[in-house]
Amino acid sequence: EAQVTQNPRYLITVTGKKLTVTCSQNMNHEYMSWYRQDPGLGLRQIYYSMNVEVTDKGDVPEGYKVSRKEKRNFPLILESPSPNQTSLYFCASSLLTGGHETQYFGPGTRLLVL
Amino acid sequence: GENVEQHPSTLSVQEGDSAVIKCTYSDSASNYFPWYKQELGKRPQLIIDIRSNVGEKKDQRIAVTLNKTAKHFSLHITETQPEDSAVYFCAANKRGGNKLVFGAGTILRVKS
Repeated sequence: EAQVTQNPRYLITVTGKKLTVTCSQNMNHEYMSWYRQDPGLGLRQIYYSMNVEVTDKGDVPEGYKVSRKEKRNFPLILESPSPNQTSLYFCASSLLTGGHETQYFGPGTRLLVL
Repeated sequence: GENVEQHPSTLSVQEGDSAVIKCTYSDSASNYFPWYKQELGKRPQLIIDIRSNVGEKKDQRIAVTLNKTAKHFSLHITETQPEDSAVYFCAANKRGGNKLVFGAGTILRVKS
């Protein structure tokens, strides 16, 4: 089954404790992206990747890191989480580019930073 | 940068009525405008999209219209049903086309 998966789905952590949220897709998509969803603000892009080893900042990249060492995986790293990073995070992928075709979203990761 | 404004933030309609959600964008170079539906606790999913070379697109009970001159586009849902209740997001691509900017979302409630 073609899909985008994320782990963990729920995470409670404390300020400053490094964490990684994994994202994987099995559709051989070149484009992958991370969004955060906050009430009243919609979906805001954190980082995106056009292909392996090619990443770029989105609109809200501060406090986040990403890597794209393999085509199927695009982990999101919070080196020192802070309470303002409490949010619902979505990974998404699309075949070639994110701005001209369907983006397929993962199930979401709900993060609470205490 | 690109800014997408979406209205209304909440919309309540009676089952069978029509619903209209409107979005405006700022980047005249934007040429792709998708709409995503997010049911409660679920992931966003594409329901319809339109490109700038087309003024209107229809898929059964949903349609999208685009006015490039005014830089706005709208989602129209006819004969609404309870299962249409969800959050709807519009989006526009940014100059260069590699990114989407989303609106803040509209909570649609269909009352039966």
